[in-house]
Amino acid sequence: DAKTTQPPSMDCAEGRAANLPCNHSTISGNEYVYWYRQIHSQGPQYIIHGLKNNETNEMASLIITEDRKSSTLILPHATLRDTAVYYCIVRGYQKVTFGTGTKLQVIP
Amino acid sequence: KAGVTQTPRYLIKTRGQQVTLSCSPISGHRSVSWYQQTPGQGLQFLFEYFSETQRNKGNFPGRFSGRQFSNSRSEMNVSTLELGDSALYLCASSTEQSSMAEAFFGQGTRLTVV
Repeated sequence: DAKTTQPPSMDCAEGRAANLPCNHSTISGNEYVYWYRQIHSQGPQYIIHGLKNNETNEMASLIITEDRKSSTLILPHATLRDTAVYYCIVRGYQKVTFGTGTKLQVIP
Repeated sequence: KAGVTQTPRYLIKTRGQQVTLSCSPISGHRSVSWYQQTPGQGLQFLFEYFSETQRNKGNFPGRFSGRQFSNSRSEMNVSTLELGDSALYLCASSTEQSSMAEAFFGQGTRLTVV
């Protein structure tokens, strides 16, 4: 079965870039990488997704390695409101595999 | 516009009973997907519907079922409830056929089985 692994927790100083890694070494060629975050007691919130190329939007950047076995979500200037659990998700046509999530704590 | 609405928000059921949870997607969204979240197993994909057709199903027993109506509203049903079914059940809607693409989640239904 596909495995998506993430570090359980990370700290980041406010205003600095937060780099959240995800390992998805068993990803298939047609599977996308998605990132969502969940702030306590709320439903997950979409951040970004990609297939092969790096992606950027107003919230974050997604860097996918050339072999696609890992990716990094980058929050360029973390704020206290970015404190949340971040989920890396691999999604194919028939399968959705969630990572265990990284609890990001942004420190003032 | 209104977000994804899940009802009820909280539910307590007894082992052996069955339960139906409801999800109203954002207007115009035709894709609805369901997820289970527990402290032990984390987030797990249940199933996904697009235009009333189940497109994908996660690795859950047949006690878990769902359907989508012509207005895109969806329901999921769990029969013969077990203690381990206690969880937060989340619904998400999307305009895309790929339900994860820019999906919007509801607040969830917290089911407690006693």
